[in-house]
Amino acid sequence: DAGITQSPRHKVTETGTPVTLRCHQTENHRYMYWYRQDPGHGLRLIHYSYGVKDTDKGEVSDGYSVSRSKTEDFLLTLESATSSQTSVYFCAISLDRYNEQFFGPGTRLTVL
Amino acid sequence: KNQVEQSPQSLIILEGKNCTLQCNYTVSPFSNLRWYKQDTGRGPVSLTIMTFSENTKSNGRYTATLDADTKQSSLHITASQLSDSASYICVVSGEQAGTALIFGKGTTLSVSS
Repeated sequence: DAGITQSPRHKVTETGTPVTLRCHQTENHRYMYWYRQDPGHGLRLIHYSYGVKDTDKGEVSDGYSVSRSKTEDFLLTLESATSSQTSVYFCAISLDRYNEQFFGPGTRLTVL
Repeated sequence: KNQVEQSPQSLIILEGKNCTLQCNYTVSPFSNLRWYKQDTGRGPVSLTIMTFSENTKSNGRYTATLDADTKQSSLHITASQLSDSASYICVVSGEQAGTALIFGKGTTLSVSS
């Protein structure tokens, strides 16, 4: 998975609790992304980062926040998890916006 | 609206047979088109990436074609193997602000022995 790890790989939580997912890369790629994948939908972009402390919203950013304090780490936070945020979350990295994106192994999140 | 449509939604073929997956898009202006393979429980892995000026690209038994005039792409798999069983995702990038990629919903391919 191109030097990308995600943690945790699986998580079950309750509605209303905060959740943080971590993406860690060893490739020194500038761009990092968070996607969610749901049945019947293509991968959808939540947030992305184009450098340390530089982030922007994607297509489905409501209810999510991100932070990038180091090149190698990109955190996705659900401030107050809802059942609609049950999904598989993928982190991806790329050298720049036009280059190939490499995906991590995914995190399966269940919100009860 | 920028969209990527893939067909068929699912496909079952016998090992050793060939198959072709289709992708139609309405993204404009167009930058590049990518095909990804996603095994169950894993992240997508890139197979090919084509820009406007390229109309075919191969990666082993996988050959992608692109017709930018009709906004269609296909992924041809030759001599299928059991390990080809996966979801194949077409992704289109437009020349626009930000880094938005438009993902198709994928075609699920099952190769049986």
